[in-house]
Formats: sequence, C-alpha cells, structure tokens
Amino acid sequence: DAGVIQSPRHEVTEMGQEVTLRCKPISGHDYLFWYRQTMMRGLELLIYFNNNVPIDDSGMPEDRFSAKMPNASFSTLKIQPSEPRDSAVYFCASGLSSYNEQFFGPGTRLTVL
Amino acid sequence: GNSVTQMEGPVTLSEEAFLTINCTYTATGYPSLFWYVQYPGEGLQLLLKATKADDKGSNKGFEATYRKETTSFHLEKGSVQVSDSAVYFCALTTDSWGKFQFGAGTQVVVTP
Repeated sequence: DAGVIQSPRHEVTEMGQEVTLRCKPISGHDYLFWYRQTMMRGLELLIYFNNNVPIDDSGMPEDRFSAKMPNASFSTLKIQPSEPRDSAVYFCASGLSSYNEQFFGPGTRLTVL
Repeated sequence: GNSVTQMEGPVTLSEEAFLTINCTYTATGYPSLFWYVQYPGEGLQLLLKATKADDKGSNKGFEATYRKETTSFHLEKGSVQVSDSAVYFCALTTDSWGKFQFGAGTQVVVTP
C-alpha cells in the first residue's frame, strides 16, 4: 500500500492567496483526520471525517479554513485568504474503525509570506 | 476532558544509554494509549500501543506499560542508537474510535 498521500509537499504563497492542500487516504480506511503542527502549539486536530461526513470541526481555527471529503479517496483543506500565521506543517491521517490506529501522511509544509 | 502530559525536551543522550520519556494522562473512561515517533521531515508513525491496564506495548526495543494506578505510560529503551533521534509523542483515545489526544512531543537527540 502506498500509505497516505499528501500534495503538495511544500507550498509557499503570499498573504491573501487561496491555498488548497490535498490528501488521499489509505484505501479502505473510513476515517480521515487533518492536523496542523507548529512549534508554538504542537499538533492540533483541525477536523475529522467518518465515511466522508465531517464529525468534528471544532479545531478549525476560523472561517478562513474549510475542509471537504467528496469521496472516500480524496479530501481537501482550503485556506482562503491565507495569512502568515497559517504557516505550519499540515498532516492528513487515515484510519480504519475496526483497528484503532491512525496512519499519517508525510505532511505539507506551508509558508505564507 | 482528556489530556496527555509528557516530559519536555530536548533529551540528549549518548549512544547505548538508557532512555526514559515520562507520560501521564487524565481521561474519562478507559483509554487506549499510544506512542508515536516522528523522524525529521516525516509524518508520525505508530511505535507501540496498549489497550488495557497492565498491558505492555513493545516495538524496535522500545517498551511502555499501561499503569492505571499511576495513570502513566512511560516509554523506555535500554540502549539507544543515533537512529533513534526523533520526536516522540504520547497519545490516548477513549472513543471506540475518534479523537486522539496527543502530548506536546519530546525531542530525543542521540549523539555518537
């Protein structure tokens, strides 16, 4: 299995631009998680989905952030407009309900100038 | 609510030294406990887990025992290698499936 795939691996953009991060979970997994990692705040859960339905988005920092999962093999996290404080590494993770473990992707390092 | 507290890093050790990273937790119900490892530039990987009291998780020479009486899940390795340099995260979940609560992470640096 290819594992969780994220793209792009690195993104540099200017303040005010729209940013879209992409994730392909492991085939057959029914849970998908988006995390943000920074030095100051550590690893934060932003949102998670079960069977493509958002279950808990209480970690989404503000309305500029949105996430979708149109099908079982694809999810996006969008920031519009982006701000310098959004600079972080964003991880996607997937899991299977019958096996309580999360598998993480390699992350997208976002830099907003 | 649930929380995980782990010792602050960085922890700097010489090769072949003994490593302990302390982790304590507060949780409602009966949590499952995990240690994840993050190597530079990579995502988190599951290192070991324990799902009930007195269980011992082990992998790659690392061990951790689920201690309900002290609400702890300390990670240990008897002889570290340079390749063990990474950030280690303690985590728990109390849902049959759902949110994980991660600790802040402990950076371990092993020198030759």
